[in-house]
Amino acid sequence: LAKTTQPISMDSYEGQEVNITCSHNNIATNDYITWYQQFPSQGPRFIIQGYKTKVTNEVASLFIPADRKSSTLSLPRVSLSDTAVYYCLVGDGWGNAGNMLTFGGGTRLMVKP
Amino acid sequence: GAVVSQHPSWVICKSGTSVKIECRSLDFQATTMFWYRQFPKQSLMLMATSNEGSKATYEQGVEKDKFLINHASLTLSTLTVTSAHPEDSSFYICSARDDTIKTYEQYFGPGTRLTVT
Repeated sequence: LAKTTQPISMDSYEGQEVNITCSHNNIATNDYITWYQQFPSQGPRFIIQGYKTKVTNEVASLFIPADRKSSTLSLPRVSLSDTAVYYCLVGDGWGNAGNMLTFGGGTRLMVKP
Repeated sequence: GAVVSQHPSWVICKSGTSVKIECRSLDFQATTMFWYRQFPKQSLMLMATSNEGSKATYEQGVEKDKFLINHASLTLSTLTVTSAHPEDSSFYICSARDDTIKTYEQYFGPGTRLTVT
């Protein structure tokens, strides 16, 4: 299994850019990297997914170096409403025991005013 | 976007009773559905995977006779917690995936808070 390691928690202030890095040293060739956001007492919400280099959507960017052993979720200009837990998942997502179903500890982001 | 609903959103039951939680995909066919459990301040833990029309596959350590899963249609899966005990109190989350399209995205429901007294 491609285990992921993330910081347990991070603090930031409104308007700042936040970068959360996830380590996945054992990532396989077919594995994708997906990030989810979870608010208390809610299901996780898909943020972004990528395979290599850089992916950007309306809410975040995902940077993946050439060796793909890590990835960085970048949240531009965070607001108080971005306070949540962020999970990095790695895997090909296929099959009942796909790694994409294994949630690590996540990073608890606290955005302060 | 794809929407997954769960019902009920919260439930309180007495020890020894059974509780059924529904998970529905509202605008897509969920060929595969997943059930997770999440305890306070902890990450999600996969309990089981179900494919429409077939028996669910349970993760190690999850009692299949206690957590009954039925994926009877392409839009509905149910999780029944039988003979519930206080230690079963948790946040139960389902997710769904359409395997007919080649993406790796699973769509999560809003979760169901179960409290067993």
